[in-house]
This record gives sequence, C-alpha cells and structure tokens, in this order.
Amino acid sequence: EAGVAQSPRYKIIEKRQSVAFWCNPISGHATLYWYQQILGQGPKLLIQFQNNGVVDDSQLPKDRFSAERLKGVDSTLKIQPAKLEDSAVYLCASSTRTSGRYEQYFGPGTRLTVT
Amino acid sequence: QKEVEQDPGPLSVPEGAIVSLNCTYSNSAFQYFMWYRQYSRKGPELLMYTYSSGNKEDGRFTAQVDKSSKYISLFIRDSQPSDSATYLCAMMIQGAQKLVFGQGTRLTINP
Repeated sequence: EAGVAQSPRYKIIEKRQSVAFWCNPISGHATLYWYQQILGQGPKLLIQFQNNGVVDDSQLPKDRFSAERLKGVDSTLKIQPAKLEDSAVYLCASSTRTSGRYEQYFGPGTRLTVT
Repeated sequence: QKEVEQDPGPLSVPEGAIVSLNCTYSNSAFQYFMWYRQYSRKGPELLMYTYSSGNKEDGRFTAQVDKSSKYISLFIRDSQPSDSATYLCAMMIQGAQKLVFGQGTRLTINP
C-alpha cells in the first residue's frame, strides 16, 4: 500500500510571495488533514476534510491560507502572501473511518522556508 | 496553559537503558491517547494508542494512562540506537475530529 505523497519536499520563497503544496492521500482514505509543524513543536491542525467537505478549519489563518480537496482525493494548501512566521513543515495526513480517527497516516511533509 | 505539555528534552541515554517519556494534559475530556514517533525529516508514525485509562504493551514499548492525574507515559525497554527519534504524545476527545499534540521529546540512544 502506497503511503501519503506530498510535493514539493522543500520550498524556499521570499516573504509576500505565494506558494502551494500538494497532497495525495492513501487510496480510499476519506479523511484528509493538513498540519503545520514549526521547528521544535508538535503538529498543529490547520484544516480537516471529510471527502471534499471541510470538517474543521478553526485554526486556519483564512486571510492568507486556503485549501481545497477537489473530487475528495488530492488536496492543495496555498499560502498567499507568505510571512516569515510561516516557515515550518507542512504535513498532510489521511485516515479511514473504519480505522478510527486516532490512526492517522502522515506524509513526509513539505519544508517551507520564508526569507 | 497548553492543553498538552511535554518536556522537549533533549534526552540522551545509553543503549539498553529503560526510557521514560511523559506528557501531562489539562482537558479531562480526552479519551484517546497516542504516541507517535518521528524520525528526522519524516512524518510522524503511530507507535501506540490507548483508550481511557490503563496500560498497553507492544514488544519493548509500554504505554500507561493515568486519567486521575492527567498523566501519560511511554516506556521503552532495552533501548536501541534505532529508537533515536522525536516522540510525540497526542490526545483526542471521543467523537471529536482532531488530535492535539504535545511538543515532542527528542530522544537519542547512544551505542
């Protein structure tokens, strides 16, 4: 079984530029999560999708961050414009209803550096 | 006050030692308790989970939950250099939608 795929793995941009990250969850997983992990901290949930609907986006900075999951499979997370404090690893995770939401499978992450 | 507190370490122990990792939490509604392991430049992977209070053992790993003290632990016996990683505790309210992670403890096992 293939794992959660993310691209790019690394991205360096200047502040005020825009950036987009892509995630392909494990086949058949209906729930998809985007997390932000700042260096030295645990992951923080940004947004959760159930199929292509948003379940929780309470911690997503909506003035600059947006996410979509078209057709209930792949997802993209966008930042526009980026700030220095957005430097972090952006993790995508997926899970199935049958396995329970506590069992989330994570991708390798995209490491974003904003200069 | 953070919902989940975890000592970030770093923690360095010799190979073969018993390792104890801990988290405390403030939200009494948490019912699911997880430990994730994260190797450098990788995503977290689920190591163990426990529902409500009690102990759970899996090979060299033992997870304990004490809800009365709002305290969870992960013990690693006969530690190996391959156990060197960051260990994240995570918690969830039953029926809720999201995991709340601790800060993570960076562990190094020295050969």
